[in-house]
Amino acid sequence: AQKVTQAQTEISVVEKEDVTLDCVYETRDTTYYLFWYKQPPSGELVFLIRRNSFDEQNEISGRYSWNFQKSTSSFNFTITASQVVDSAVYFCALSEAHASKIIFGSGTRLSIRP
Amino acid sequence: GAGVSQSPRYKVAKRGQDVALRCDPISGHVSLFWYQQALGQGPEFLTYFQNEAQLDKSGLPSDRFFAERPEGSVSTLKIQRTQQEDSAVYLCASSRRGGAYEQYFGPGTRLTVT
Repeated sequence: AQKVTQAQTEISVVEKEDVTLDCVYETRDTTYYLFWYKQPPSGELVFLIRRNSFDEQNEISGRYSWNFQKSTSSFNFTITASQVVDSAVYFCALSEAHASKIIFGSGTRLSIRP
Repeated sequence: GAGVSQSPRYKVAKRGQDVALRCDPISGHVSLFWYQQALGQGPEFLTYFQNEAQLDKSGLPSDRFFAERPEGSVSTLKIQRTQQEDSAVYLCASSRRGGAYEQYFGPGTRLTVT
């Protein structure tokens, strides 16, 4: 069975701090894809990243970085020098190669205080 | 349009009424998905179309839920005899290919059943 766990329900930090959002997944497949989505207060889910299970290279995009560790089944997301506009609910998600649907975690609500 | 659009954005239905929710995917996107998002939770998969074919409807919670995409573009999610537990945000997403590719989400329809 596939499952995504985001143990941090809510995180609150002061602007300019770095923050890491944790994600642990479960799957029996050897080929799968991991995603992060952002859901700002407006409600629309915004795609951030997609990684496949064969690519463990860390990825950096501006202030965002992702750490994929197959050995611990984790796909953590770090925001460096956080800004108020980063405040949102962030979802980690998983899709197995043979299926198109995405399985989402329960989300982490991130609040950045000025 | 540039993104996925959904209508109506808000719908209030009395218990027992039928409702129809519409999704216009990104032009040219082959795949279309419906998800249900309860308050404070991550989206949960309902059903998936590739062109006009409904390839996976394993997430539909009951036979009161029905989805169609007759011409491989616009899709409608219909809920018959609505119940209070159907209250949620219904999200539509589209993807340019089949398989586990990034999905682009619409703003959702918030359904409240009274």
